[in-house]
Amino acid sequence: DAGVTQSPTHLIKTRGQHVTLRCSPISGHKSVSWYQQVLGQGPQFIFQYYEKEERGRGNFPDRFSARQFPNYSSELNVNALLLGDSALYLCASSAWGGENNEQFFGPGTRLTVL
Amino acid sequence: GENVEQHPSTLSVQEGDSAVIKCTYSDSASNYFPWYKQELGKRPQLIIDIRSNVGEKKDQRIAVTLNKTAKHFSLHITETQPEDSAVYFCAAIRRAAGNKLTFGGGTRVLVKP
Repeated sequence: DAGVTQSPTHLIKTRGQHVTLRCSPISGHKSVSWYQQVLGQGPQFIFQYYEKEERGRGNFPDRFSARQFPNYSSELNVNALLLGDSALYLCASSAWGGENNEQFFGPGTRLTVL
Repeated sequence: GENVEQHPSTLSVQEGDSAVIKCTYSDSASNYFPWYKQELGKRPQLIIDIRSNVGEKKDQRIAVTLNKTAKHFSLHITETQPEDSAVYFCAAIRRAAGNKLTFGGGTRVLVKP
């Protein structure tokens, strides 16, 4: 199965720490988006990267940053973790960066901040 | 920015009955409306989508309707089965906003055998 992969699956951190989450898109896909899903809510858009450039940013503080590598994989970094950062972080891959194209979600990384 | 409201938040139906979930959006520039199904502990999966130049789309037991004038769209599931039990999310993408999905709050659907 060549779907979207994310690592790690689960992560436990303490307040103030830093975390890096990783995503590998479907082969051939050039766009990666990151979403935060708090328990019981819909996913919230954090970032979109297309062709290694940031194409969109949601309403998240500067503690959140991301990048995309030449192989189109991506990292999401969160600094100075807060309890409220506990959530499922989803990565979505699509063939290109515009609207009207299907996004495929990865299994997510469950982050718990204690 | 775009805002998507989804109703109801929970829906319980008897197996074989129909289920309807409704969403409204605020930005008239939105032009792509996907629906995702998320089972407990799993990733959201696209089940159907509709573009703004289409009023209705059907795929087997699932259909979606779009009313651009009223800015609302609905998901219809007919002949529900226990495996339809999940959380369903509607979403919208604004024209020229790239891949930014704005999601509704979700509807937890329970199909009782």
